[in-house]
Amino acid sequence: DAMVIQNPRYQVTQFGKPVTLSCSQTLNHNVMYWYQQKSSQAPKLLFHYYDKDFNNEADTPDNFQSRRPNTSFCFLDIRSPGLGDAAMYLCATSNKGYEKLFFGSGTQLSVL
Amino acid sequence: TQLLEQSPQFLSIQEGENLTVYCNSSSVFSSLQWYRQEPGEGPVLLVTVVTGGEVKKLKRLTFQFGDARKDSSLHITAAQPGDTGLYLCAGAPGVIGGYQKVTFGIGTKLQVIP
Repeated sequence: DAMVIQNPRYQVTQFGKPVTLSCSQTLNHNVMYWYQQKSSQAPKLLFHYYDKDFNNEADTPDNFQSRRPNTSFCFLDIRSPGLGDAAMYLCATSNKGYEKLFFGSGTQLSVL
Repeated sequence: TQLLEQSPQFLSIQEGENLTVYCNSSSVFSSLQWYRQEPGEGPVLLVTVVTGGEVKKLKRLTFQFGDARKDSSLHITAAQPGDTGLYLCAGAPGVIGGYQKVTFGIGTKLQVIP
């Protein structure tokens, strides 16, 4: 089935050690999003790609970067994770002109 | 920034009971979406409401969009343990520049006890 796949499901990293989360999609959607969801909080948009165009939210820390090498893949890089970055990271896609978001299962990040 | 408030934030009920959760904003939305999220999983879209006053039904779930398109409600009839999860509403201002920027509410965590 067409879907949004996130790897890994669980990621443990050390304070300050760079970490990369990955997302792939078989939907051929134009737009890919990264959300951060902390416990008991709403998902918060970090940034999104519209095709190759990168759009950063104003309040997304510089510590967070993203890459989209092709339509199917998108990566979230956290350069120096802090304890406050422990969260569920959700990747989502949408097709141009449509409002429905398709989410992956998320990556639960722990920072030790 | 468009804010969405959901109430209640937590709800624990017995199997077979009815419940309603609310999603309110001072902003007008082009559409409003409801998602259900289970622990350790991503949100899954349940429904999108677009027209003011619109009512949509999904089995035992009834979704309503306010006439002014600022609020929405989700009513579950005869809740079952499988309904347990986090219910998120998300407001969309519309597709701008080719993409969708939704604002999520904090969610209602529902527990249905057998």
